[in-house]
Amino acid sequence: DTGVSQDPRHKITKRGQNVTFRCDPISEHNRLYWYRQTLGQGPEFLTYFQNEAQLEKSRLLSDRFSAERPKGSFSTLEIQRTEQGDSAMYLCASSPAGGVTEAFFGQGTRLTVV
Amino acid sequence: RKEVEQDPGPFNVPEGATVAFNCTYSNSASQSFFWYRQDCRKEPKLLMSVYSSGNEDGRFTAQLNRASQYISLLIRDSKLSDSATYLCVVNWGTGGFKTIFGAGTRLFVKA
Repeated sequence: DTGVSQDPRHKITKRGQNVTFRCDPISEHNRLYWYRQTLGQGPEFLTYFQNEAQLEKSRLLSDRFSAERPKGSFSTLEIQRTEQGDSAMYLCASSPAGGVTEAFFGQGTRLTVV
Repeated sequence: RKEVEQDPGPFNVPEGATVAFNCTYSNSASQSFFWYRQDCRKEPKLLMSVYSSGNEDGRFTAQLNRASQYISLLIRDSKLSDSATYLCVVNWGTGGFKTIFGAGTRLFVKA
């Protein structure tokens, strides 16, 4: 499969627990984006990497959120001390160049905080 | 005012109908425009770009009105498989901050 892969597809966690999501982009893509989408809303930008450098970070990414892309390949998004408001679909997208509109999205990780 | 606004719908249309969606944007510096399609519980996928002169792809026609700051999507001869949420996307540069997704318009096509 040469598409963007996200793991896990679904995660249910108790409030206060930490969770980590993984994204494997298309192999030759050097740009990687994380988005969050809640029901009835469009994707909201969280953060953007070019290779291993995190170039942009939204205010939506509070101190409890951290993202890494250590070797410029896969990326992880960690949420510490989860809250019910963190429940959402977390989407990863990658592109070879240009902006996010040329990117391909993964199928997302659906997080439910109970 | 939201940066990108869409009528959330839902639009309920019979097969074969023609349906049109509009999307308005607030940033006059916006450079490029796109329509994405998102099926229920799936990821967004690019449907088509929107060019200044308007463009057509089969049953789908996209138009841009820079003066009034809106884009439109027209679907002719609707199929059941067109049922989805259509996201309007506006971009004014490279990077995540410069791309804004609308909340989407839901379309249901019924037999």
